[in-house]
Amino acid sequence: DTGVSQDPRHKITKRGQNVTFRCDPISEHNRLYWYRQTLGQGPEFLTYFQNEAQLEKSRLLSDRFSAERPKGSFSTLEIQRTEQGDSAMYLCASSLEQLGQYNLGSYNEQFFGPGTRLTVL
Amino acid sequence: DQQVKQNSPSLSVQEGRISILNCDYTNSMFDYFLWYKKYPAEGPTFLISISSIKDKNEDGRFTVFLNKSAKHLSLHIVPSQPGDSAVYFCAAAPSGGYQKVTFGIGTKLQVIP
Repeated sequence: DTGVSQDPRHKITKRGQNVTFRCDPISEHNRLYWYRQTLGQGPEFLTYFQNEAQLEKSRLLSDRFSAERPKGSFSTLEIQRTEQGDSAMYLCASSLEQLGQYNLGSYNEQFFGPGTRLTVL
Repeated sequence: DQQVKQNSPSLSVQEGRISILNCDYTNSMFDYFLWYKKYPAEGPTFLISISSIKDKNEDGRFTVFLNKSAKHLSLHIVPSQPGDSAVYFCAAAPSGGYQKVTFGIGTKLQVIP
């Protein structure tokens, strides 16, 4: 299976605990994105990486959230002191972007993983 | 604020008929418009896109129409098949150095055999 994988698929935790999710992108993809999807909503952008560099963070990403992509391959998303409002599906996506070229005239497909469903009790 | 709006939460269509899913957007900076399909317990899967310089893009049974002046796009599925039953997300992205995608809330399509 060469798609995007995420681990774990489900996580139940108590309020105040820390959780960490992992995403393994498609191997040759240099961009990696994190999204959050709550019930009845579409995925919302959280942050993205170009190789190991985190280039943008959404306002949704409070200081309790931290994401890393240390070697430009897999990524982790950590939530500290979880709150019930953090309960959601966390989606990871990856894409291949041609470095030094802006993507004029085409959309480089983002391939999504199956997500990690977080429930905070 | 919802920059990409899908006002129909659900749609039921008979097998073999046309499915039309609608989407409106508010941000004039969007340059690409996308449709993603999502089955339960899976991540969204890219279906089709259209650039803002076009008004139609076709891929097999799927056609996306863009009306830039009305800030409206639609996805047509002809003929609809039971396997098309899924949640369809309309999304949009700017051009430039990166492509941050903004999603609508989705429309659940049910194709009745």
